[in-house]
Amino acid sequence: GDSVTQMEGPVTLSEEAFLTINCTYTATGYPSLFWYVQYPGEGLQLLLKATKADDKGSNKGFEATYRKETTSFHLEKGSVQVSDSAVYFCALFNQAGTALIFGKGTTLSVSS
Amino acid sequence: DAGVIQSPRHEVTEMGQEVTLRCKPISGHDYLFWYRQTMMRGLELLIYFNNNVPIDDSGMPEDRFSAKMPNASFSTLKIQPSEPRDSAVYFCASSSSTGYHGYTFGSGTRLTVV
Repeated sequence: GDSVTQMEGPVTLSEEAFLTINCTYTATGYPSLFWYVQYPGEGLQLLLKATKADDKGSNKGFEATYRKETTSFHLEKGSVQVSDSAVYFCALFNQAGTALIFGKGTTLSVSS
Repeated sequence: DAGVIQSPRHEVTEMGQEVTLRCKPISGHDYLFWYRQTMMRGLELLIYFNNNVPIDDSGMPEDRFSAKMPNASFSTLKIQPSEPRDSAVYFCASSSSTGYHGYTFGSGTRLTVV
């Protein structure tokens, strides 16, 4: 069945460092891909999405490009801030499926 | 809109007691989802509704779990009897589709069963 695999965390960075969180997926057809962010004590918030191959989703300095050839949707940010410390979830939606499928999440910790 | 509203935010109960979690979706959203989050298993879909009708409850772990949506603005997830392994954060989410546009999540209910 469909699945999402994220790099295991935690990821620990200093402020202004470059961030990459890897995400790969397994799905039939052409799923939509998402990144969600969960700040401590809160629910998940949609960060960005891409609905077709080669689309780039972006928001708040974060970017991710839908790469069908490598079945990947890696999250990147050029310069992280302490306020970016959170758990990041990659997810997919397949038209043939029933609901969003989430990866296990990657914890990011940014220190000043 | 106030977003998806869940109550209570925290619940501590004794093993064997009945627990009811509540959710108010965003007005106009036709889909409502219940997820459970644990460290070991991540986010698991328990059940989802479309227009108040349960569509897929294959993720409900046992008969001790039940969910209802009596109208478009209210849903409950009930656990009876509760067990320590039910301790988790339970999220409700709503959407105008099954997933194409993504979901709006509530802040969750942290359940602790002692």
